[in-house]
Amino acid sequence: QAVVTQEPSLTVSPGGTVTLTCGSSTGAVTSGHYPYWFQQRPGQAPRTLIYDISSKHSWTPARFSGSLLGGKAALTLSGAQPEDEAEYYCLLSYSGDWVFGGGTKLTVL
Amino acid sequence: EVQLVESGGGLIQPGGSLRLSCAASGFTFKTYWMHWVRQAAGKGPVWVSRISSDGRSTSYADSVKGRFTISRDNAKNTLYLRMNSLRAEDTAVYYCVQCSGGNCNWGQGTLVTVSS
Repeated sequence: QAVVTQEPSLTVSPGGTVTLTCGSSTGAVTSGHYPYWFQQRPGQAPRTLIYDISSKHSWTPARFSGSLLGGKAALTLSGAQPEDEAEYYCLLSYSGDWVFGGGTKLTVL
Repeated sequence: EVQLVESGGGLIQPGGSLRLSCAASGFTFKTYWMHWVRQAAGKGPVWVSRISSDGRSTSYADSVKGRFTISRDNAKNTLYLRMNSLRAEDTAVYYCVQCSGGNCNWGQGTLVTVSS
């Protein structure tokens, strides 16, 4: 089964911009992988932030955006807030089977 | 409102078996594919298995293939995961997950601890 890779940890300054990426061992990430991004805080279930590369939900802060970048899915946070400190997981679909990335621990400092 | 309520977890010895259940409400259960995802303490979520809306198609992660069986009862709006030959590395919180309109709904999870 495929392996999905993410940066283990990233740090961003308050108000700063950071990009998290999500790569696939099988090659370039495409729209056919239906990339999701989840945010998870301690003790809570993951919450969907982004789906289908760049689509947002009504609860997704405008400062988050999704894209494809250099063959990977990317989550960009522009104008980081202290409450954005959390774990972020990407999810890729391989013909209906899911693979989660290992997660990125984002620190706002 | 979508609700997913898992049950059936607990402490089990290595080699033992458990059956997890997920009671679904707030959506038309029989029309959605469903997934089981697990998360060990301090680790990221890991996909375990999925089942098609009619139950005819299933798939498993390599780590559980041959040991776990996913099933569903659309009349009871319930998803199941039968887990056999349990190992210490199966210890995790198990979530049932349903995705609709780009949002993935997670239950509260049920803890499975495999230990002697």
